[in-house]
Amino acid sequence: GIQVEQSPPDLILQEGANSTLRCNFSDSVNNLQWFHQNPWGQLINLFYIPSGTKQNGRLSATTVATERYSLLYISSSQTTDSGVYFCAVEPYNTDKLIFGTGTRLQVFP
Amino acid sequence: DTAVSQTPKYLVTQMGNDKSIKCEQNLGHDTMYWYKQDSKKFLKIMFSYNNKELIINETVPNRFSPKSPDKAHLNLHINSLELGDSAVYFCASSQLREQPQHFGDGTRLSIL
Repeated sequence: GIQVEQSPPDLILQEGANSTLRCNFSDSVNNLQWFHQNPWGQLINLFYIPSGTKQNGRLSATTVATERYSLLYISSSQTTDSGVYFCAVEPYNTDKLIFGTGTRLQVFP
Repeated sequence: DTAVSQTPKYLVTQMGNDKSIKCEQNLGHDTMYWYKQDSKKFLKIMFSYNNKELIINETVPNRFSPKSPDKAHLNLHINSLELGDSAVYFCASSQLREQPQHFGDGTRLSIL
């Protein structure tokens, strides 16, 4: 089945720093989503981005479907950005999301 | 209004018991899902229903039985609970294939 790898597995930042999270996937997909799991365990939808670039405030994401990767950029990080960031892909002809192993981000003041 | 709501948020019970988790979505979506997140935070699909019909069953033990009384509800019943069932269970919904999935807040199940 499709493999979804995220890097780095862990990231520690000081408030105000920028970061880039990467998601590589091993086959073509219909759909790619980025989620933030906050310290309370909630899964927050960040982006639905099967291709192209989107921006939402300090966050932006780019997916290059032909090269099978996606990037999540966090600028001017804040302590509230802490948590686990998941990339999830929907392979062709399925109705399920396959999740990556996540990037754990800790932002310190 | 909460888009995808699950109850209860926490469930603590003894091994061998039977329990249910309820999920409701008010987004008008056709498809609903159950995912399991284990202690290592790994998330995996369990079931998917489209308009009350089962479309995905990812080799989940038959002690787990999803039930969809209508397209806005997908409940998860678990028989004879085992220690390994301890996890966070997430319900999700989407309009169609290739549309974003929206997740509930999760139900943390702890087996004593």
